[in-house]
Amino acid sequence: RKEVEQDPGPFNVPEGATVAFNCTYSNSASQSFFWYRQDCRKEPKLLMSVYSSGNEDGRFTAQLNRASQYISLLIRDSKLSDSATYLCVVLPSGTYKYIFGTGTRLKVLA
Amino acid sequence: DAGVTQSPTHLIKTRGQQVTLRCSPKSGHDTVSWYQQALGQGPQFIFQYYEEEERQRGNFPDRFSGHQFPNYSSELNVNALLLGDSALYLCASSLGRDYYNEQFFGPGTRLTVL
Repeated sequence: RKEVEQDPGPFNVPEGATVAFNCTYSNSASQSFFWYRQDCRKEPKLLMSVYSSGNEDGRFTAQLNRASQYISLLIRDSKLSDSATYLCVVLPSGTYKYIFGTGTRLKVLA
Repeated sequence: DAGVTQSPTHLIKTRGQQVTLRCSPKSGHDTVSWYQQALGQGPQFIFQYYEEEERQRGNFPDRFSGHQFPNYSSELNVNALLLGDSALYLCASSLGRDYYNEQFFGPGTRLTVL
């Protein structure tokens, strides 16, 4: 089983739609969680950290379920510029080793 | 404020050769991590350098080695290149000794092994 698993997609959605991605992780000792965004042939950039109580940043909402070991990202009112690959990242407790999922591709269509 | 820079941007090598990739961290950062990203995959952690020492290593063979210099810049060396080493190599910098500090990625070096 992979340490971090994501549906690779692609998710093709119309502008204005709401889309949700899930990510599961295998190490129950994982401590920190993040969503990164990666545009085609570019470097990953931090989108948001994921906190236990859930957190929101504009149109983006992240949730963490430690009992079920999954993380979610919700994007509301999708924009063309949201088209990218979204990477789920887990940092196990007591390590410096960031573990990335394979990413979920999103295409927002006009 | 200069971000993370990497050189070269592209590189073509043949099997069996050796390669050195370079990274300069974001201004003020003292920690450098290296990742390998194959096509269609997420980045895979190679190792992290802090205070000129490798303080954590991922599941990569000894052919992958690195170095951090007193100015915090870093090199990644790969010996005896294999076709499977073809990938985007990303450097990320962060600050401090804590387990979590936000990582900033450079644009990467795209390595092709023929």
